[in-house]
Amino acid sequence: GENVEQHPSTLSVQEGDSAVIKCTYSDSASNYFPWYKQELGKGPQLIIDIRSNVGEKKDQRIAVTLNKTAKHFSLHITETQPEDSAVYFCAAISSGSARQLTFGSGTQLTVLP
Amino acid sequence: GAVVSQHPSRVICKSGTSVKIECRSLDFQATTMFWYRQFPKQSLMLMATSNEGSKATYEQGVEKDKFLINHASLTLSTLTVTSAHPEDSSFYICSARSGWGLDEQYFGPGTRLTVT
Repeated sequence: GENVEQHPSTLSVQEGDSAVIKCTYSDSASNYFPWYKQELGKGPQLIIDIRSNVGEKKDQRIAVTLNKTAKHFSLHITETQPEDSAVYFCAAISSGSARQLTFGSGTQLTVLP
Repeated sequence: GAVVSQHPSRVICKSGTSVKIECRSLDFQATTMFWYRQFPKQSLMLMATSNEGSKATYEQGVEKDKFLINHASLTLSTLTVTSAHPEDSSFYICSARSGWGLDEQYFGPGTRLTVT
């Protein structure tokens, strides 16, 4: 099955700086890669996603890049703000018929004011 | 759009009792719903997948007689934890997918279950 590894597990940045979170996946047939933001005590919120036919996608301060050859994808947050502090999860859709999400282990991002 | 609700948000129950958690898609029809469990500072662990009108498919190691899932309509799925024990205390989260062939999954706010 699919295996998704996520790094780093914790990340602290100064407000206004950029943050980058990286994930690798194992199943070359995976073709959908969402990113979720989870605040304490809440459910995950879909913030951006990318499909395998696209190399990069941007939405305001958030961007995701995908390298299919290397089987890795990254989340980039620019001009970070304190409200960006949360746990971020990457995920990949497995190639099975159920199309289930396989999650990374999560990154605790702290934006220091 | 794509809002998923869960009820209750928090529940405390005594050991041996059963608890039902509801998951609703508010503005779309959910052909597929998923139930996850999350322990503190850990990732989400898929418990089961359910399609409307069909029996749920449970992940390996998840007891289907203990975690009863019903997906009776296109907007409602329920998870019943039967004969709950303290080790069942966790954060339970549902998610929904809006259509066949679509990959986007939208998550509910979660239910914090504490078994005393």
